[in-house]
Amino acid sequence: DQQVKQNSPSLSVQEGRISILNCDYTNSMFDYFLWYKKYPAEGPTFLISISSIKDKNEDGRFTVFLNKSAKHLSLHIVPSQPGDSAVYFCAASSGGSYIPTFGRGTSLIVHP
Amino acid sequence: EPEVTQTPSHQVTQMGQEVILRCVPISNHLYFYWYRQILGQKVEFLVSFYNNEISEKSEIFDDQFSVERPDGSNFTLKIRSTKLEDSAMYFCASRGGTGSNQPQHFGDGTRLSIL
Repeated sequence: DQQVKQNSPSLSVQEGRISILNCDYTNSMFDYFLWYKKYPAEGPTFLISISSIKDKNEDGRFTVFLNKSAKHLSLHIVPSQPGDSAVYFCAASSGGSYIPTFGRGTSLIVHP
Repeated sequence: EPEVTQTPSHQVTQMGQEVILRCVPISNHLYFYWYRQILGQKVEFLVSFYNNEISEKSEIFDDQFSVERPDGSNFTLKIRSTKLEDSAMYFCASRGGTGSNQPQHFGDGTRLSIL
């Protein structure tokens, strides 16, 4: 039962280019979406979030886009840096639960 | 920046033994969580804890699991009789105060290996 799907297990990008990580969800009750970044041997670190009342949220090099009709969100990283190399988890929650359902993650590798 | 700390970083236990995983949440946080991630799989919610009681738990959190906040700073997860399939990374998380969506802050995890 994958309510949050990250269909690309890995992504490789050149330094300075844009990284686009995608996420799809099936539960129409989800109203809050988050992206977490995880380095090896560390716990997930909150990166950016978006409420369902918005379609875009930007924080520095990171922008999250939400397309509710398509039940799709994406994380854009511009420009990508080698230090961005990590596993990125998409997560979603509903109704003030604050307990996110996670995707399986996408491993991003940014090449110098 | 305050952080969630977890000990030990790696725990190796014989099947059938009890194990206690420890967490120190961020000091002014009120909501506490345990998650696990089996190798190669997604992060899965186990239990949430607020006001000294469980507020929500998943199907994974069966009678073998328990949580406790024994002294106002530590938050522990006990697995009473471990099974091979309990081998996973266990993450503790905490979240501050009331109202708006505040993200959970995760510890670096305890790798539990059941032999």
